[in-house]
Amino acid sequence: ETGVTQTPRHLVMGMTNKKSLKCEQHLGHNAMYWYKQSAKKPLELMFVYNFKEQTENNSVPSRFSPECPNSSHLFLHLHTLQPEDSALYLCASSQGYSGRYGYTFGSGTRLTVV
Amino acid sequence: QQQVKQSPQSLIVQKGGIPIINCAYENTAFDYFPWYQQFPGKGPALLIAIRPDVSEKKEGRFTISFNKSAKQFSLHIMDSQPGDSATYFCAASEGSGNTPLVFGKGTRLSVIA
Repeated sequence: ETGVTQTPRHLVMGMTNKKSLKCEQHLGHNAMYWYKQSAKKPLELMFVYNFKEQTENNSVPSRFSPECPNSSHLFLHLHTLQPEDSALYLCASSQGYSGRYGYTFGSGTRLTVV
Repeated sequence: QQQVKQSPQSLIVQKGGIPIINCAYENTAFDYFPWYQQFPGKGPALLIAIRPDVSEKKEGRFTISFNKSAKQFSLHIMDSQPGDSATYFCAASEGSGNTPLVFGKGTRLSVIA
């Protein structure tokens, strides 16, 4: 384990469902990230939280909604997704925003939208 | 706009060979260049990193070569092994610390016995 835990590991959901992805780190890091990984865009940054404040939102559709209740937990709420949203969703954390001390990634949630 | 260009997209080498993965950048504010290694079913993990005040850094069989004037850096894997088969990402960050890491598109490496 890397210290960043993502649940669930696999998720299959219909286009009308609502689900949430969870990420947890106890590394004392202050920045947390959501990435989408697919064959077309290998590491696509979605959202960044720095000290619980959202600092980046890379034009992500509103059907993805992040939540960061504290510096150890990060959620990605999903609703009315499309089949093209099927991908591996990775959470990462770092000490410092620029990643100069390394990003620690979780193992990801493999999402399939049917 | 892709800020870090990585090549090749995929690479197949024989065991013992020296695969080389190249990255190029335009932003002169970048001053930290890490490489990440990702195995199937896992997230990327920091492998090795370099700052522009040195031209080369070695850690075990992994070497980063850095050419500041050309704005290019590369990863070399000496005596490659089948266990090195993974996807490799280069990345870069600015000295200001105000922007997250910028990743390349990745190189899928296969080392065959």
